[in-house]
Parts: sequence; C-alpha cells; structure tokens
Amino acid sequence: DTGVSQDPRHKITKRGQNVTFRCDPISEHNRLYWYRQTLGQGPEFLTYFQNEAQLEKSRLLSDRFSAERPKGSFSTLEIQRTEQGDSAMYLCASSFETTGTKQFFGPGTRLTVL
Amino acid sequence: GESVGLHLPTLSVQEGDNSIINCAYSNSASDYFIWYKQESGKGPQFIIDIRSNMDKRQGQRVTVLLNKTVKHLSLQIAATQPGDSAVYFCAERGYGKLTFGQGTILTVHP
Repeated sequence: DTGVSQDPRHKITKRGQNVTFRCDPISEHNRLYWYRQTLGQGPEFLTYFQNEAQLEKSRLLSDRFSAERPKGSFSTLEIQRTEQGDSAMYLCASSFETTGTKQFFGPGTRLTVL
Repeated sequence: GESVGLHLPTLSVQEGDNSIINCAYSNSASDYFIWYKQESGKGPQFIIDIRSNMDKRQGQRVTVLLNKTVKHLSLQIAATQPGDSAVYFCAERGYGKLTFGQGTILTVHP
C-alpha cells in the first residue's frame, strides 16, 4: 500500500455513459497526477495538479475528459460520453513538488466500456 | 518527437544472477531518467532516478547507467530475487511530466 487510494477499483459502463473516478493522494503531497495505461504499455500522462491548480493537460486528452482537485486534496477524473477506446486502467499518483520523479501510484481504476 | 523505448520486451534469469534491463530514449532535453517497477495488479513503484548530467547512480542492489552519447539507459539488478519479477518501465522527465516506455517483463526463476 503506497498511501494513494483510488475508487472504484473497477468500473463497467455502457458506451455513452459518464463515469467519475476519485483519487486520494498522500496528504503531504502537493502534486497529483493522472495517467492512463493499456495492456502492455507504460502509463500515459493525462494531467497534473499542483495543489488545486491544474498545471498541464495532455494534448491527447479530448474535451470529454475533465479533472478537478477543488481543495488541493483529493481529485476526480470524469469521462463524458464514454467510448470503447476509453477502456483502460486509470492511475493516479502523487508526489512532493521537489521530488517529482518519485511518484507514488495508486492501484488504479480499471474501466471497461461495453 | 519524444519517445522512450525498450530493446527487449522479456528477460528471464535465474535467482541470484544479475539482470540488465535496457532502454533507449530520444528526447535529449529530459532532465531526469527514471526506472519504475510494476507488479501484477499494482501501480508502478519508483526504483531509482538519475539526473541527466550524471552517468551512474547506485541504490540498494540496483544501478542505473546513462549514456547520453548513444541515448541509452540501463538498470542493473544485482543478485536478482523472485520478488524482482515484474514489468520494468523506464521513464523520462521533460517539462515536469513523465513519459514512460513500453516495459520489459522480468521473470526470475528459483
């Protein structure tokens, strides 16, 4: 257990539905990251926050994806109008700003879009 | 464009042997190179990093080597144990974000 938790661990949804995932980082960490991982591939960066500010968003991320970290603590990732191509593992990680290479990852949320 | 890749997708070793996992990168602007380990059903776990102005860094049973001339990164694991069996990813940090490679599966046989 790294101290980063994600909920739910698994989500099955039908195409076109909206889904929301939650991440609770290590409380002392001011940076929070979201990644997407498909089978056999490394995690793909989606976005990251420093405290409550969203500092960067991947150009590959469509406008159906949105993330928030309203109080600089937990974060949510919402996917609207899900597509089958959204099926993947969604990973959250957190770190201190000064040690951004050492990220602590949660167990992930596995999304299956039918 | 940015890319981080691996030469070998799988590596099988005997317990007690040393393991070497290799990685090629293309983005010379990255300031750090990092190795992560991912066990089945878990998120990646940080192993070790190396700053771009260094060529070698050692940790506990692990050594990372960086050759900027040929844009090559390697992870050496000494006295490999069954618990080291996992997928290993190299990653590079550029503009604050991490870009991961495809991964190498390491299998350690008792």
